Amino acid sequence: DAGVIQSPRHEVTEMGQEVTLRCKPISGHNSLFWYRQTMMRGLELLIYFNNNVPIDDSGMPEDRFSAKMPNASFSTLKIQPSEPRDSAVYFCASSWGGNEQFFGPGTRLTVL
Amino acid sequence: SQQGEEDPQALSIQEGENATMNCSYKTSINNLQWYRQNSGRGLVHLILIRSNEREKHSGRLRVTLDTSKKSSSLLITASRAADTASYFCPLMKTSYDKVIFGPGTSLSVIP
Repeated sequence: DAGVIQSPRHEVTEMGQEVTLRCKPISGHNSLFWYRQTMMRGLELLIYFNNNVPIDDSGMPEDRFSAKMPNASFSTLKIQPSEPRDSAVYFCASSWGGNEQFFGPGTRLTVL
Repeated sequence: SQQGEEDPQALSIQEGENATMNCSYKTSINNLQWYRQNSGRGLVHLILIRSNEREKHSGRLRVTLDTSKKSSSLLITASRAADTASYFCPLMKTSYDKVIFGPGTSLSVIP
C-alpha cells in the first residue's frame, strides 16, 4: 500500500481564494482525521470521520472550513475564503478500529 | 483534559545515551500511543499500549504504563542522531474516540 496520500504537497495562494486539500486514506481503514499544525498551536484535530460520516467537527475553526468524505477512499478539506492565519501544515491520517493512525506527508499551505 | 501531556518539553542528550520521556493524563483510557515526528515530516506511530498492559517493547523502545498514576514513559536506549524528533503521547478513552495531541517532547540527540 502506498500509505496515506495527500495533495497537493505545497500550496501557495492569495488571501480570499478557495483552497481544497485532498486525501486518500489507506485502503480498508474506516476512520479518517484532518489535523492542522502550526508552531503556535501545535497539532490540532480539525475533524474526523468514521465510515465516511463526520463524527466530531468541533475542531473546525470557522465556517470558512468544510470537510467532506464522499466515499471510503477520498476526503477533501476546503477553506473558502482563505486567510493568512490559515497558513499551516495540514495532515490527513487514517486508521482502522481505533488503532494506530497512519499519517500522510502533509500539505504545506501558505496564504499570502 | 483529554490529551496526554508530555514532559519534558525539550531534551538534549549525547548519542549513545538513553532518553526518557514522560506522559501524564487525567482521564481513564482505553489505550495510549506514542508517535514520533521528524522535522518537516508526518507523524509515525511507534507503540500502542492498552490500559491492561504495563510494558511493551519495540526494538530500542520501551514503553511503560501506570494507570494508577495516570502516567506513561517512553525509553529510547542507545540513542542515535536519527532519533532527533518530537515525540507525542495521544490517548484514547474508547476505541473510537478522537485522538488529541499534546505539545510533545522535542528530543535532540547530539552526535
